[in-house]
Amino acid sequence: EPEVTQTPSHQVTQMGQEVILRCVPISNHLYFYWYRQILGQKVEFLVSFYNNEISEKSEIFDDQFSVERPDGSNFTLKIRSTKLEDSAMYFCASGGLAGYEQFFGPGTRLTVL
Amino acid sequence: AQSVTQPDIHITVSEGASLELRCNYSYGATPYLFWYVQSPGQGLQLLLKYFSGDTLVQGIKGFEAEFKRSQSSFNLRKPSVHWSDAAEYFCAVAVNQAGTALIFGKGTTLSVSS
Repeated sequence: EPEVTQTPSHQVTQMGQEVILRCVPISNHLYFYWYRQILGQKVEFLVSFYNNEISEKSEIFDDQFSVERPDGSNFTLKIRSTKLEDSAMYFCASGGLAGYEQFFGPGTRLTVL
Repeated sequence: AQSVTQPDIHITVSEGASLELRCNYSYGATPYLFWYVQSPGQGLQLLLKYFSGDTLVQGIKGFEAEFKRSQSSFNLRKPSVHWSDAAEYFCAVAVNQAGTALIFGKGTTLSVSS
């Protein structure tokens, strides 16, 4: 069964460093998303991406964040200058033609020191 | 703005007993409704969804949920809980527009006692 994959599973970085989180969505999906979950808190929407552009973003997704689909298979989230409060689990999700049902990857745990 | 409330932070159920996890949403129209499960250290797995039609929906692992418009609720049920059901359960809503964000509740942690 096709699934969303994410790399790395765990990333440790120093405050102020740039990080890129990678995702491979399900191959025929058209909608792509990033969410985050700070430890002990609920899952929060960051951004959605469709037709090579951002379709929706939350207040969390400020200028420090960017997304890209550099090729036909990868979907990346870049945090330009990480802060301590960026420490969280980051989930990638993708959705098919209808776009309502979202399938999540296993997540990348980002630790900012 | 849409919101989701899961009133129970933590529930403990005996193995073999029935389960009901509560979810209430706030939205002007009928949203699309979802239940996800997250096992420790794992991602989010979709249990079931409601878009329209029959208000009682069946999902994977023996779960079902009932949409009640009058109560703005979408409660998750299982007639007989197994120890492997111990996990965190999230209710989520989306407006009926393709590609839109899911809004999650804070989750309910289910513990199963033997």
